[in-house]
Amino acid sequence: DIQMTQSPSSLSASVGDRVTITCRASQSTGIYLNWFQQKPGKAPKVLIYGASTLHSGVPSRFSGSGSGTDFTLTISSLQPEDFATYYCQQSYITPWTFGQGTKVEMK
Amino acid sequence: EVQLVESGGGLVKPGGSLRLSCAASGFGFSGTWMDWVRQTPGKGLEWVGRIKTEAGGGATDYAAPVKGRFTISRDDSKKALYLQMNSLRPEDTGVYFCTALSTFGGFIVTSFWGQGTLVTVSS
Repeated sequence: DIQMTQSPSSLSASVGDRVTITCRASQSTGIYLNWFQQKPGKAPKVLIYGASTLHSGVPSRFSGSGSGTDFTLTISSLQPEDFATYYCQQSYITPWTFGQGTKVEMK
Repeated sequence: EVQLVESGGGLVKPGGSLRLSCAASGFGFSGTWMDWVRQTPGKGLEWVGRIKTEAGGGATDYAAPVKGRFTISRDDSKKALYLQMNSLRPEDTGVYFCTALSTFGGFIVTSFWGQGTLVTVSS
């Protein structure tokens, strides 16, 4: 199975901050990498697929980059509704696997 | 509006069985691949398995930890997805999500999620 490792596991930030989360795969996933946002008690929601394509309705302050084994999710200017946990997921080969999550908390 | 509504979760003893259901609406269910994903205290988000469309043979695929114990099926006439879980273990405890996959430009994406149903395996 492909192991997905996110860093950091958690971070504290303020509204307006630029936030960067990284995801590393144990082997190449090409650009078959997706990002999800999850709020407490809710199901995850897809933000980005194909490493860099914004899903419909997702604000443009979210962006993704990377290919192969190293990927990044960036929030250009953190908004109050962005405090949540973020997960990467590889969809290159089954079993699709997720990172352990990065919790973005208010500083 | 796409809706996925899971049911059937609950408390079950180790070694027991449970059948989860997912009622789908608001999209072409029969033409959609469906996954079950769980979120457990031990492993976080974990892909459980997939069922393809009946037109595609209804093929299924499972994660190693559940293979041989869990079975995914679908009833397109009822727009329903099922997860039969046998020989349950404490490590199967978690929230189980029904998800629908979409294709965008060659990428298969977990686009829609249900609200989840809690399964607790404990004596």
